[in-house]
Amino acid sequence: NAGVTQTPKFQVLKTGQSMTLQCAQDMNHEYMSWYRQDPGMGLRLIHYSVGAGITDQGEVPNGYNVSRSTTEDFPLRLLSAAPSQTSVYFCASSHGTSGTNTGELFFGEGSRLTVL
Amino acid sequence: GQQLNQSPQSMFIQEGEDVSMNCTSSSIFNTWLWYKQEPGEGPVLLIALYKAGELTSNGRLTAQFGITRKDSFLNISASIPSDVGIYFCAGLGNEKLTFGTGTRLTIIP
Repeated sequence: NAGVTQTPKFQVLKTGQSMTLQCAQDMNHEYMSWYRQDPGMGLRLIHYSVGAGITDQGEVPNGYNVSRSTTEDFPLRLLSAAPSQTSVYFCASSHGTSGTNTGELFFGEGSRLTVL
Repeated sequence: GQQLNQSPQSMFIQEGEDVSMNCTSSSIFNTWLWYKQEPGEGPVLLIALYKAGELTSNGRLTAQFGITRKDSFLNISASIPSDVGIYFCAGLGNEKLTFGTGTRLTIIP
C-alpha cells in the first residue's frame, strides 16, 4: 500500500518555466489537497478537491492550477514559475465520506522546488 | 485567513523531560489535530480531538481541546530521542485545515 505518492522529489526551475507536480493516492480518498511549507510559516493550503471534477482554492492559490480528472490523481501546475514559489510542496488526502475533510490527512513525502 | 499561534517556536530539552506546547486561534474550530514532521518527510497525524474539553492520549502523548474551542495543548511525557521533530497543531473549519507554525523539538544528549 503506497499511500500518497509525489513526484518529483526535487526540481530546479528557471523563472518563467512551467511544470507539474504529480500526486497520486491509492486509498480511494475523495478529498485531496496541496500545501506549501515555508520556514516559519507552517503549511499553507494552495488548492483542494472534494472529488473528481471538483476543485477549489485555498489560502494561497495564485500562480497555481489544479485539476481532478480521477479520484487517484491531483496534479499541481505552475504556469510561470517565480522565485517566490521556491518551497516544499505537500500533497495530502483524507478519508472522509462524500469528500469531506476530516482533518485526518495522509501526506506524501514532499516535493522540494527551487526557482532561480 | 485564520491564524494559529503556536508556542514555543523551539524547545531544547534533555531526554526524560516532559514537554508542553500549545496553540491558540482567533477563530473557533470544530476539530483540533496534532501532527509530527520528521526531516525529509510529510507530517504524520498524532492525535485528533473532536469535542470541546476533550482530553485524549496516545501513548506518552496527551492532547486537550480547549473549552473555548480556540486553543489546544499537547504534552509529551518522559521524552525519548525519537520524539525529535517539528510538531504542528491544526484546526479544522469549513472543510479547510489550518496549520500552526510549528514547534521544533530538540533533545540534548
